[in-house]
Amino acid sequence: AQSVSQHNHHVILSEAASLELGCNYSYGGTVNLFWYVQYPGQHLQLLLKYFSGDPLVKGIKGFEAEFIKSKFSFNLRKPSVQWSDTAEYFCAVRNYGQNFVFGPGTRLSVLP
Amino acid sequence: DAGITQSPRHKVTETGTPVTLRCHQTENHRYMYWYRQDPGHGLRLIHYSYGVKDTDKGEVSDGYSVSRSKTEDFLLTLESATSSQTSVYFCAISESEGRLYNSPLHFGNGTRLTVT
Repeated sequence: AQSVSQHNHHVILSEAASLELGCNYSYGGTVNLFWYVQYPGQHLQLLLKYFSGDPLVKGIKGFEAEFIKSKFSFNLRKPSVQWSDTAEYFCAVRNYGQNFVFGPGTRLSVLP
Repeated sequence: DAGITQSPRHKVTETGTPVTLRCHQTENHRYMYWYRQDPGHGLRLIHYSYGVKDTDKGEVSDGYSVSRSKTEDFLLTLESATSSQTSVYFCAISESEGRLYNSPLHFGNGTRLTVT
């Protein structure tokens, strides 16, 4: 079965630091990839998605992610984090026409 | 935000009682999903629906049933609630048809269920 792993359970950064959150998936075929963010007490919101084409995807709030097919990875990056980026981040993968599989999440704490 | 409403937002119930959670959408999307969210597990799919009266099990379906009698409503029922079903439940919708066959999920605000 498809699985998604996220490298870090909890990441703590100071404001203005750069962020990279790792995501790896197990399926070798065509996939669609997503990053969702969940702010404290809220529902999941879509940050960005990759379907095809340019493997570097830009999303909302200055986030971007790079799809590296050979490494089965879809890492999330942001050059300079803000206190308001404190949230939990989920990577999700979907095979063609199949259901979504979510990673366990990475909690990001940004210190002011 | 997508038009998804979950009710109730919070519920406390006793072990052994039946509980029904409701998800209502105004987007006319074909696909609807129920997930539970637990620390360390991310989101796990309970059941999903791909049309009126068309439902299927997800990875953690034991102890849950669903019904979808209208496009806009997807009900999740805990037949006899147990403490292990204490969780936050999220409904999600997706278009997933035609050229939108792999469109993203959009989530409701969640229902926090506590089984005592």
